[in-house]
Amino acid sequence: EVQLLESGGGLVQPGGSLRLSCVASGFVFSRYVMTWVRRPPGKGLEWVSAVSGSSRNTDYADSVKGRFNISRDNSKRTLYLQMSSLSAADTAIYYCAKHGGSAGVDFFDSWGQGTLVTVSS
Amino acid sequence: EIVMTQSPATLSVSPGERATLSCRASHSVSSNLAWYQQKPGQAPRLLIYDASTRATDIPARFRGSGSGTEFTLTISSLQSEDFAVYYCQQYNNWPLSFGQGTRLEI
Repeated sequence: EVQLLESGGGLVQPGGSLRLSCVASGFVFSRYVMTWVRRPPGKGLEWVSAVSGSSRNTDYADSVKGRFNISRDNSKRTLYLQMSSLSAADTAIYYCAKHGGSAGVDFFDSWGQGTLVTVSS
Repeated sequence: EIVMTQSPATLSVSPGERATLSCRASHSVSSNLAWYQQKPGQAPRLLIYDASTRATDIPARFRGSGSGTEFTLTISSLQSEDFAVYYCQQYNNWPLSFGQGTRLEI
């Protein structure tokens, strides 16, 4: 059974930084593209960032480009999202998600339960 | 960037009835379209991928159709557990993008 467990969320002041983690189990982690998706309060889902299995390729939404950095450690089966220069607009539940297959299969077949990030003074 | 637009924003239906949810893409996404269900306090769940293929363990009452720019999710004979928010997502082009969601309510 695929399991994804996020951690690292919390309350952070505007301009601050935070690192999210997502520990994976139940599948060969290194073979799959992984993604972060967020859902701001009262709003819909927003794709944030993705990283290929080898970490060779990464991509970001324009709204976070230059401020967020996605990475992974396949030996630890862990996905990360380093977030900096945070603002209230980044307040959201952050989900990690597994892509459905190899490159090009970019829907999300498994999701974690999410971790809440609140940016407020 | 491909913009996904869902309609209606809210759909009120009764158990046992059929619900039809729409998703429109600003440019063709071929059949690279997925649907997700999200209930309060839960993670999203994949329902449909490749526009019309049901994901594992998804009941047959969920049916996806369409290609190009127009897509539909049809839920026949609604059950109480189907009342949730539904999102479409295109994966034909990067950046990946979601619709704003349709809330299915009683």
